[in-house]
Amino acid sequence: GAGVSQSPRYKVAKRGQDVALRCDPISGHVSLFWYQQALGQGPEFLTYFQNEAQLDKSGLPSDRFFAERPEGSVSTLKIQRTQQEDSAVYLCASSLGTQGQPQHFGDGTRLSIL
Amino acid sequence: QKEVEQNSGPLSVPEGAIASLNCTYSDRGSQSFFWYRQYSGKSPELIMSIYSNGDKEDGRFTAQLNKASQYVSLLIRDSQPSDSATYLCAVNMPWAGNMLTFGGGTRLMVKP
Repeated sequence: GAGVSQSPRYKVAKRGQDVALRCDPISGHVSLFWYQQALGQGPEFLTYFQNEAQLDKSGLPSDRFFAERPEGSVSTLKIQRTQQEDSAVYLCASSLGTQGQPQHFGDGTRLSIL
Repeated sequence: QKEVEQNSGPLSVPEGAIASLNCTYSDRGSQSFFWYRQYSGKSPELIMSIYSNGDKEDGRFTAQLNKASQYVSLLIRDSQPSDSATYLCAVNMPWAGNMLTFGGGTRLMVKP
């Protein structure tokens, strides 16, 4: 079936604007993860969902970051009042949901804040 | 000390050689280990998973896990220029539910 789908692929916003990034996981995948990847670095965990429940949001860098997955499928990562340091690639991954299962990544959204 | 450590490289090997990529992790209780390949501007792609001590082979790739020494490695035999990418080691720490902790990645360059 289809892989993890993210949109938009690229987003340019002015500092202070709000942005919303969308992730559509692999069908049947219970767990959904958001990561932030800076240039030349590995992905850094932001938050994770098991179905519609947000089980861990310890990686969200500030209260300007908010994620939801209301029906246990599509997820949205919202960043309010964007800052230049928010510029990064935002990766979404999904997995079957049991511990130890590999995660499969979408193509990411490259966010640039001017 | 980072929880998952990799040499950033670049690791340069000639075409046809064996590339050896290493990763160490801090939590002795970790059980699940993954290698991802990431081409420039692309997303990470799963290439290997390993859960038990020893070697696991898949085509030209061999993952090696030593839990006592807390390291996991990836060997790429008969390296090809198309293998040039950043290789990310990811570990599922026991306290982290399903979340993965990534190393910073090792950049591999295979020269024709």
